[in-house]
Amino acid sequence: NAGVTQTPKFRVLKTGQSMTLLCAQDMNHEYMYWYRQDPGMGLRLIHYSVGEGTTAKGEVPDGYNVSRLKKQNFLLGLESAAPSQTSVYFCASLGADGAYEQYFGPGTRLTVT
Amino acid sequence: KNQVEQSPQSLIILEGKNCTLQCNYTVSPFSNLRWYKQDTGRGPVSLTIMTFSENTKSNGRYTATLDADTKQSSLHITASQLSDSASYICVVTPDAGNMLTFGGGTRLMVKP
Repeated sequence: NAGVTQTPKFRVLKTGQSMTLLCAQDMNHEYMYWYRQDPGMGLRLIHYSVGEGTTAKGEVPDGYNVSRLKKQNFLLGLESAAPSQTSVYFCASLGADGAYEQYFGPGTRLTVT
Repeated sequence: KNQVEQSPQSLIILEGKNCTLQCNYTVSPFSNLRWYKQDTGRGPVSLTIMTFSENTKSNGRYTATLDADTKQSSLHITASQLSDSASYICVVTPDAGNMLTFGGGTRLMVKP
């Protein structure tokens, strides 16, 4: 049981490049989330998903797209990276069983130059 | 707008001492309140989860309290250890939906 995994762990992009961050969970959780964390700030929700095939916007969705084609995977895409998207990205998952336990991945550190 | 405010922003204590971190929130109604510990370079890890009807929850040397009337929570750390050095984040879940609201965190440093 690996919990929540994220790939890659680190990435450096040039402005205008695109990339996809992958989040995978093996706990059969319904809900999955993508957050960004900037220095000295709390986690901010980018997009989330309440089930396979469904996604919704969070607090800071602009410049990002997501897809949940399989229940265990939640992809975060940056179509045209900007320096303002330099951040640490965390994925999380939550079961729908009333336990309220949300599990986080180890994070992806992205730098856009 | 739902908000979660934490204080202090940072705290330095000596190993073995106790400390209390504060969390004030405006999320209402809310489903549950969580405290997370986040080590540098790692994802947050859950310490305690309390529903609106609970007043206190313990996890080893960590004890969280909740006053739903005043919308305040605290996390008390007893007999601190060097490994307690981390950021502690208060998170509130609204009663409707699953969009958690995160506080900015308190950065704790425990010195020998």
